[in-house]
Amino acid sequence: AQKVTQAQTEISVVEKEDVTLDCVYETRDTTYYLFWYKQPPSGELVFLIRRNSFDEQNEISGRYSWNFQKSTSSFNFTITASQVVDSAVYFCALSEEGQAGTALIFGKGTTLSVSS
Amino acid sequence: GAGVSQTPSNKVTEKGKYVELRCDPISGHTALYWYRQSLGQGPEFLIYFQGTGAADDSGLPNDRFFAVRPEGSVSTLKIQRTERGDSAVYLCASSFTDDLTYNEQFFGPGTRLTVL
Repeated sequence: AQKVTQAQTEISVVEKEDVTLDCVYETRDTTYYLFWYKQPPSGELVFLIRRNSFDEQNEISGRYSWNFQKSTSSFNFTITASQVVDSAVYFCALSEEGQAGTALIFGKGTTLSVSS
Repeated sequence: GAGVSQTPSNKVTEKGKYVELRCDPISGHTALYWYRQSLGQGPEFLIYFQGTGAADDSGLPNDRFFAVRPEGSVSTLKIQRTERGDSAVYLCASSFTDDLTYNEQFFGPGTRLTVL
């Protein structure tokens, strides 16, 4: 069975602090995709990143970086120098295969609050 | 171009009533998904359409829930005899169908359903 666990329910930081959001996944498949989505107070899910199971290279995009480690089944997300606008709920998700019809399996989310 | 749209954005109804939630996918997307997001949870898969047919309805919680997509574009999620536990945000997503590339799911803003 597939499962995504985000153990951190809520995190509070002060602006400019670095913060890491943890994600641990379970799947029996060798081909799968991992995602991070941001859900601001407006409610719409905003896609941040997709990684496939064959690409373990870490990725950096501006203040965002992702650490994918198959050995520990983790796909952690770090925000460097956090800003108030980063306040949102962040979801990690898993998809087996990539063809249409494959449901996304989401974790319960981590609520990040950044104060000024 | 236009993204996935959902109407209404908010729906308040009384226990026992019937409701319909509408999703307009991105033009040209043949795959359409419904998810339900309860308070404090990640989205959970309900049903997937490929064209006009429901290819996977394994996520529908019970027979009070039904969805249609008669012309392969707009979809309607129908809930009969609503219960307070049905209160949630209902998210719709759409994607291309292409075996050669990853079929990204694009999410709409959701319909917040409140059952009193």
